[in-house]
This record gives sequence, structure tokens and C-alpha cells, in this order.
Amino acid sequence: AQSVTQLDSHVSVSEGTPVLLRCNYSSSYSPSLFWYVQHPNKGLQLLLKYTSAATLVKGINGFEAEFKKSETSFHLTKPSAHMSDAAEYFCVVSRPPNTGFQKLVFGTGTRLLVSP
Amino acid sequence: SAVISQKPSRDICQRGTSLTIQCQVDSQVTMMFWYRQQPGQSLTLIATANQGSEATYESGFVIDKFPISRPNLTFSTLTVSNLSPEDSSIYLCSVEDRAANSPLHFGNGTRLTVT
Repeated sequence: AQSVTQLDSHVSVSEGTPVLLRCNYSSSYSPSLFWYVQHPNKGLQLLLKYTSAATLVKGINGFEAEFKKSETSFHLTKPSAHMSDAAEYFCVVSRPPNTGFQKLVFGTGTRLLVSP
Repeated sequence: SAVISQKPSRDICQRGTSLTIQCQVDSQVTMMFWYRQQPGQSLTLIATANQGSEATYESGFVIDKFPISRPNLTFSTLTVSNLSPEDSSIYLCSVEDRAANSPLHFGNGTRLTVT
């Protein structure tokens, strides 16, 4: 069985300061991990994905995440927040690619608030 | 990446009626998925739809309440039947792009409000 835990339901930062959104996972095999972003009244957009290649993954809009197996973590970071980053972020775990269809298990989400 | 068109984008329906949501993909895909996102909640998988076979439902979801059609490799519908206020949610269609070793792409969702 797989699961993800997003440790913060809300994170508030000031524009220009670093962003850290925390995610821990549980999986009985080496998982695929993703971060999706959902802006208000919009669909889900893939930010980045980890599929057993490089442990530091770079995504769109300056976001990156590091897979740490020893800590079972996949935290999302960005050096400098922008107002447009305000959204809901979902950490997602899945089976490894090519091992079966990718049934995604979503975390509960973290709402990122960015103040001027 | 696949482009997914979902219709309607939103609807307000009366209790006891049904709503059918359409999902159109711009390329052929083997598997299509339907998710529900209840207000303030995360996404939950409702069912997986393969072309030419019955949909596979997740625990807690039944065909009588959420019938799904998958007539071809680019289209699917989800019907939410006998609506109650508890069905007010965002319903999202997604597809897998296994050939590109890519995770799911999502449509923009259908926001359903039941009055």
C-alpha cells in the first residue's frame, strides 16, 4: 500500500522568501513521486516528477524537490516565492513506471499563501 | 502532452436529477480515470475506464451511482446519478500517457453544485 502525508495544510510566506512544502511517503516498493499544483478554479498541473533517476528533480516555475529515501521524504522547494505561486499543492505517490497503470494516491494538499 | 477537454465546466443541479460529464482527449489513450475532489479535500479516484470493458470502481463507489461509458479511445463520460447535496464536488477526468512514460494529465474539472 502507498500513502503520502503532507505535513502542513497551510504555508504562508512573503514574496521573495523561500518556499518549503513538506511531504513524506510510504510505499512497499520504490515509488514514483510527483508534485501537482492547482490554482483556483483551474485543473491540476504537473510541477515535477521523480521516477528513480536523479534524486534532485527540477520542475517548472523554479520549483524543485529532493527524493530522500532514508527519510522517506519528497519536499518541494523554491528559492524565492512569487505572488503567482499562491495555490494548492499536492504531493502524489504512484507505482514505478511500466509496472502497471499509474494509480495515483494524493496527499491532502498544502495551501500556499504568498503575501506582498 | 495530451490535451483534455471536459464539459461542462460547471453546473448547478437539483436534488434527484443526474449530470453527465464528458471528457474528450486529443489523442488515443488506453486508460482514462475519473476523480472526485470534495470541497476543501484532496482527490479520490472513482474509477478506471478502459475502452471496450466495464469500468473498474474503487472502494466506496458503485456503478449505479457513477455509471461510466468509454465508447472509444478518445472519449468517456461519467454520470452522477440521483444527485444529493453531498455530491457537490469537482469531478476530474485524467489520462495516462504510458508511451511517454508520463504521469496523468488532468482536465480542468467540472464543478458540480447540487441544490
